[in-house]
Amino acid sequence: GDSVTQMEGPVTLSEEAFLTINCTYTATGYPSLFWYVQYPGEGLQLLLKATKADDKGSNKGFEATYRKETTSFHLEKGSVQVSDSAVYFCALDGGSQGNLIFGKGTKLSVKP
Amino acid sequence: GAGVSQTPSNKVTEKGKYVELRCDPISGHTALYWYRQSLGQGPEFLIYFQGTGAADDSGLPNDRFFAVRPEGSVSTLKIQRTERGDSAVYLCASSLTGGRTGELFFGEGSRLTVL
Repeated sequence: GDSVTQMEGPVTLSEEAFLTINCTYTATGYPSLFWYVQYPGEGLQLLLKATKADDKGSNKGFEATYRKETTSFHLEKGSVQVSDSAVYFCALDGGSQGNLIFGKGTKLSVKP
Repeated sequence: GAGVSQTPSNKVTEKGKYVELRCDPISGHTALYWYRQSLGQGPEFLIYFQGTGAADDSGLPNDRFFAVRPEGSVSTLKIQRTERGDSAVYLCASSLTGGRTGELFFGEGSRLTVL
């Protein structure tokens, strides 16, 4: 079945460092791909998405490009801030109904 | 309210007891989803409602789990004869219409602990 694999954390970076969180997927067909973020004490919220191959999703300085040839959707940010500390989840849509299949999550801690 | 609301935020119960978890979605959202998140794992899909009907309940782990949405708004997840393995955070999400690219809005979850 469809699945998502993302790099295990935790990831600890200094402020202004470059961030990459790897995500690869297995799916039949051409799913939409998502990154969700969970800040401490808050619910999951959509960070960015891409709906077809070569699309780039971007938001709040984060970017991810839908790579069909490598079945990847890696999350990047050029300069992280302390406020980016959160758990990041890669996900794909599991069907036409919008239900999502999530990776296990990667916890990011950014130190000042 | 402005977002998805879930109650209770925390529930501690004893093995064998019955539990209800409530979700109040964003007003006007027709699609509602329940997920379960165990420690160190990503959310796992349980059930999807479109309006009042359960359009997909393939993620419910067994017949002890049941969910309803009688008026197409508030939903209740019901767990009978709870087991220690049911301990997890239960997340509710809603979406304006459902579908492949719609954004899901999540509540903060209900943390269930079965002793």
